[in-house]
Amino acid sequence: DIQMTQSPSTLSASIGDRVTITCRASQSISSWLAWYQQKPGRAPKLLIYKASRLESGIPSRFSGSGSGTEFTLTISSLQPDDFATYYCQQYNSYEYTFGQGTKLEIK
Amino acid sequence: QVQLVESGGGVVQPGRSLRLSCAASGFSFSSYGMHWVRQAPGKGLEWVAVISNDAHSEYYADSVKGRFTISRDNSKKTVDLQMNSLRTEDTAVYYCTKDLLRDFWSGASDYWGQGTLVTVSS
Repeated sequence: DIQMTQSPSTLSASIGDRVTITCRASQSISSWLAWYQQKPGRAPKLLIYKASRLESGIPSRFSGSGSGTEFTLTISSLQPDDFATYYCQQYNSYEYTFGQGTKLEIK
Repeated sequence: QVQLVESGGGVVQPGRSLRLSCAASGFSFSSYGMHWVRQAPGKGLEWVAVISNDAHSEYYADSVKGRFTISRDNSKKTVDLQMNSLRTEDTAVYYCTKDLLRDFWSGASDYWGQGTLVTVSS
């Protein structure tokens, strides 16, 4: 199975900050990577697919990049609604594994 | 709009069975693969199973292979997860999700249900 490792596990930031979350795959997954946002008690929401494609309705301050084994999710200017937990997921091969999550907290 | 509504969760003893169901609406159900993804309390996400749009193919996580079965009824727009030989480590919120890709599946999920909690405990 492909292991997905996110860093950091927790990130403290302020409104307006630019933040980056990294996701590393244990082997190449080409660009088959998705990013999700989850708030407490809610289902995850798809933000980015195929590493860099923005899902419809997602604000343009979210962006994704990378290919192969290293990927990043960037939020260009943090808004109050962005404080949540973020997960990456590889869908290159079974099993479709997720990273352990990055909790984005208010500083 | 797309809606996925799970049902069937509850408390069950180890070794027993439970069947989850997901009712879909707002999209062409028979054109999309469907997944189940679970989340243990306070933990991350774990993909469980996928079924193709035509129900001809299905794949499972190793942790549930041989115990869980995914199925779908395109006439009723439902997808089910039959869970047998349940273990305490199967305790989780189970989400039904719609695949991003039409007529096949990608593995990414663009719509999620609200989830149903399964608790396996004696």
